[in-house]
Amino acid sequence: DQQVKQNSPSLSVQEGRISILNCDYTNSMFDYFLWYKKYPAEGPTFLISISSIKDKNEDGRFTVFLNKSAKHLSLHIVPSQPGDSAVYFCAAQSNFGNEKLTFGTGTRLTIIP
Amino acid sequence: GAGVSQSPSNKVTEKGKDVELRCDPISGHTALYWYRQSLGQGLEFLIYFQGNSAPDKSGLPSDRFSAERTGGSVSTLTIQRTQQEDSAVYLCASSPGLDTQYFGPGTRLTVL
Repeated sequence: DQQVKQNSPSLSVQEGRISILNCDYTNSMFDYFLWYKKYPAEGPTFLISISSIKDKNEDGRFTVFLNKSAKHLSLHIVPSQPGDSAVYFCAAQSNFGNEKLTFGTGTRLTIIP
Repeated sequence: GAGVSQSPSNKVTEKGKDVELRCDPISGHTALYWYRQSLGQGLEFLIYFQGNSAPDKSGLPSDRFSAERTGGSVSTLTIQRTQQEDSAVYLCASSPGLDTQYFGPGTRLTVL
């Protein structure tokens, strides 16, 4: 039972354009959402997060949008850079702080120079 | 400062052998988590330690898996009688409390 779903296993985007990564969830108890970025042979690194009381959070080139009614969130990267090429994981928590993360299966983003 | 470290980085073992994976969390972090990532899958929660509370073991896939955290710091994940389906990258994360989880580089376990 996959509670967090990333339906696109891969995505290729031209450098300078916008990258949009999507994530859907099924558990309405989730109230905090995170995006992690992972390079090969490294652990995931935190990128950006959003609480369920918000619908948008922006940090530099990265913006996360949350649509609670649709149980959908997305990560926008603009402009995309070659260093953004990595696997991106969407994750969710039911109680912010010391609760386990439920991860999606990841989307491999490739930025084409 | 130092991040989360894990050892070994790679472990190859034969089916049926026991393995121990180690995690050194960031100093002062009270919460410690173990996850694993099997080939083509997302990260799967295994176990969570918070201070002196009883650990949340709800993610452990079988009784062959166990973990301990000594002195509220270092943690060891033990897999007994390893099976080929245990092959995965095992990731440890720590958190200072009401904050993001910080991940180590992982241990890649291969069971032949």
